[in-house]
Amino acid sequence: QVQLVQSGAEVKRPGASITLSCKTSGYPFTTQFLHWLRQAPGQGPEWMGIIKTGDGNTIYADKFHGRITMTRDTSTTTTYMQLSGLRSEDTAVYYCARDGRHGDNYEGWFDLWGQGSQVTVSS
Amino acid sequence: EIVMTQSPATLSVSPGERVTLSCWASQSVSSHLAWYQQKPGQAPRLLIYGASTRATGIPARFSGSGSETEFTLTISSLQSEDSAVYFCQQYNNWPPETFGGGTKVEIK
Repeated sequence: QVQLVQSGAEVKRPGASITLSCKTSGYPFTTQFLHWLRQAPGQGPEWMGIIKTGDGNTIYADKFHGRITMTRDTSTTTTYMQLSGLRSEDTAVYYCARDGRHGDNYEGWFDLWGQGSQVTVSS
Repeated sequence: EIVMTQSPATLSVSPGERVTLSCWASQSVSSHLAWYQQKPGQAPRLLIYGASTRATGIPARFSGSGSETEFTLTISSLQSEDSAVYFCQQYNNWPPETFGGGTKVEIK
């Protein structure tokens, strides 16, 4: 079954870091890029960054530069997103999503999503 | 950054009726526009990409049209299971890819 399965909900204190995981299955891991997005309550999703699963190259949204790191493990077909310096505004549901294009480039639309990971930042 | 605007914010429609949702881009995005459906507690689901291409498994009652700055998602005959929030998203000028604020479709 083609799917993305994410890690569970987390509660963190302000200033802490978090690492979320996204395990892919049902298709060749390195054939499509993976994105991370987040969604605050009542809002549209917000794009955070993308990782090329083949070689690990990344592009991050300017808003998160310096705080975000995306990595992947090809042996376990899992992608990770670490966000540091958490603040209350980072409270959201975080999603991994597969890029819709196959191959060495990406297009920026999302044909498969993980189920989401709720992250709550609170003192 | 391209700003995406959706209208209306909420729509209440009877089953069987035709539904038209609108999305505008602050500058041209060519045909690089996608639509997603999101039900409460679920991840978004891709409906349309390339402004008018239905994703795999999406019923034919969903159709997309438009180009440049004006886009439309049409549900030809609303079903009860179509109650959801619908988002448009541009991927012409990235990063970042940007989403509209969504239109909530309610069943009367």
